[in-house]
Amino acid sequence: GAGVSQTPSNKVTEKGKYVELRCDPISGHTALYWYRQSLGQGPEFLIYFQGTGAADDSGLPNDRFFAVRPEGSVSTLKIQRTERGDSAVYLCASSLGPTLSGNTIYFGEGSWLTVV
Amino acid sequence: QKEVEQNSGPLSVPEGAIASLNCTYSDRGSQSFFWYRQYSGKSPELIMFIYSNGDKEDGRFTAQLNKASQYVSLLIRDSQPSDSATYLCAVNQGGYQKVTFGTGTKLQVIP
Repeated sequence: GAGVSQTPSNKVTEKGKYVELRCDPISGHTALYWYRQSLGQGPEFLIYFQGTGAADDSGLPNDRFFAVRPEGSVSTLKIQRTERGDSAVYLCASSLGPTLSGNTIYFGEGSWLTVV
Repeated sequence: QKEVEQNSGPLSVPEGAIASLNCTYSDRGSQSFFWYRQYSGKSPELIMFIYSNGDKEDGRFTAQLNKASQYVSLLIRDSQPSDSATYLCAVNQGGYQKVTFGTGTKLQVIP
């Protein structure tokens, strides 16, 4: 697609529920990132995929968070037993290749998650 | 020490002036440096990237990198009210693919 597409754009869920957030990267981009941004903060790194594999998941806050990218394109971020502290904007980004090779990352519009 | 540090602001400049935004980073092995602009309620958009020491100019924007001082800055010449936004500094730490962001500096350009 022309840009990074994220769905849903807004999600309100009850504490304890399970949530899935979807990301469709720019066509041809092999690298995919998930970030989380709280109000007044910069984006916080969660996980990075190169192709189908999670090359760096060091930013996932705990085992309630999990992400997959089974075919190397669309990715899903999964959050189990949601807590009010999970409320944030979840940003997906993609790049043509690894950033260390000189590629830059482009963000989607984000999924605004509110846990009540 | 935070990996990427920015003054949160707000930084207020009059229209037409030069806005100077600064960022320091902790990992001396960092290789790539980015400036993103983020309007309220929107996602970050890339303004510039820089890899080598010195200045890089693109229109009204100039990025400056000093690896010895672990310092990167963004200058915006002839500031316009439409430049009012939060500016995020981001760094690709050495050896890692992830890009780490600062908390951002809020810029207000006063007409």
